[in-house]
Amino acid sequence: EAGVTQSPRYAVLQEGQAVSFWCDPISGHDTLYWYQQPRDQGPQLLVYFRDEAVIDNSQLPSDRFSAVRPKGTNSTLKIQSAKQGDTATYLCASSFGGGQNTLYFGAGTRLSVL
Amino acid sequence: QQQVRQSSQSLTVWEGETAILNCSYENSAFDYFPWYQQFPGEGPALLIAIRSVSDKKEDGRFTIFFNKREKNLSLHIKDSQPGDSATYFCAASDSSGSWQLIFGSGTQLTVMP
Repeated sequence: EAGVTQSPRYAVLQEGQAVSFWCDPISGHDTLYWYQQPRDQGPQLLVYFRDEAVIDNSQLPSDRFSAVRPKGTNSTLKIQSAKQGDTATYLCASSFGGGQNTLYFGAGTRLSVL
Repeated sequence: QQQVRQSSQSLTVWEGETAILNCSYENSAFDYFPWYQQFPGEGPALLIAIRSVSDKKEDGRFTIFFNKREKNLSLHIKDSQPGDSATYFCAASDSSGSWQLIFGSGTQLTVMP
């Protein structure tokens, strides 16, 4: 069974540029999460979906970050105008049923904003 | 306020020793505590988890000891191997609240051969 797939693996951009991250969750998993993991820190939840609905986006910097999951399968996280403070690894995870079920993480996209 | 705290940023042990990784938490409503293992260049993966109704959970060489009164827990890795070298994250969630998994900042374990 394929795991969670993310692309690209790496992204380097200048401040003010836009970037999108793509995630393909495990087939059949209805819940999808986006986490931000700064260097030497634990993952911090940005947003999560149940099917195509946003359940919690309270920690998403809404002025520059957006996330969609239009068909309840793949998802895209976009940063409109990146800042140096956005430098981090962006992890996508999926689970079946949400709640306290196991999260399965992708390998992440490592973003550097210069 | 850091809700889940891992006291050591790094830990080095020799092959064959027992590595002990500590974790504490603030929210007494937390009732589920997974430990995730992360290798460089990979995402975290669930290693072992415990619910607050238990005080011990064992899976092979990995054991969680949980102290609800003191709001702390520890992960013991018996007979540590170089392949166990990774970063270990303690996490917690509350089934009566948002269910959101809160991660600690991680402990980087190095097992020397």
